Amino acid sequence: QSALTQPASVSGSPGQSITISCSGTSSDVGGYKYVSWYQQYPGKAPKLIIYVVSNRPSGVPDRFSGSKSGNTASLTITGLKAEDEADYFCSSYTSTNTWVFGGGTKVTVL
Amino acid sequence: QVQLVESGGGVVQPGRSLRLSCAASGFTFTSHGMHWVRQAPGKGLEWVAVIWYDGSNKYYADSVKGRFTISRDNYNNMLYLQMNSLRPEDTAVYYCARWGDEKIFDVWGRGTLVTVSS
Repeated sequence: QSALTQPASVSGSPGQSITISCSGTSSDVGGYKYVSWYQQYPGKAPKLIIYVVSNRPSGVPDRFSGSKSGNTASLTITGLKAEDEADYFCSSYTSTNTWVFGGGTKVTVL
Repeated sequence: QVQLVESGGGVVQPGRSLRLSCAASGFTFTSHGMHWVRQAPGKGLEWVAVIWYDGSNKYYADSVKGRFTISRDNYNNMLYLQMNSLRPEDTAVYYCARWGDEKIFDVWGRGTLVTVSS
């Protein structure tokens, strides 16, 4: 049950696009469509922003998009806004009926 | 509205036990599996345990297996986490989360802080 690998931090200027990677194995990210992404502000609970690799819950701006290739999933934020400054975590279901999170990525809007 | 409210956190000495509770409301509790997820101070999220909607199956992270037990009371819409043999590294905010469609965590509580320290 090793954590998925995410970059510790990513930054961008308002209006730019950034991408956060999430690397796992064939037993989690690569083996299932059940990859999701969560946004968390300091002191707050996480919020679901992407599920099943690339689907957005209602209310989540279409600036957020997800994809997957092999054992690596990605979250892209286009048209970066100041309000997007937060921590982002990926998650995957695994072959042992457990779940695993990534270590988290702090997004800074310059 | 759909809501999860955790309670039971506090300061506990290493080796002691603590039971966390999560009160669910605003949805059909018996239709959803439930999770516990924790977050150590300044760290990332760590999945802890899951219980099926009917309590028939339970799975744990290796880090807590044999020490923590997840359970539920479907009559009273309650989720529990019994934590035994606590260690300093168990110090974290513990969240309960609903298992939504497509194996997501779609509703989260606000969390309860557990501090393991002598």
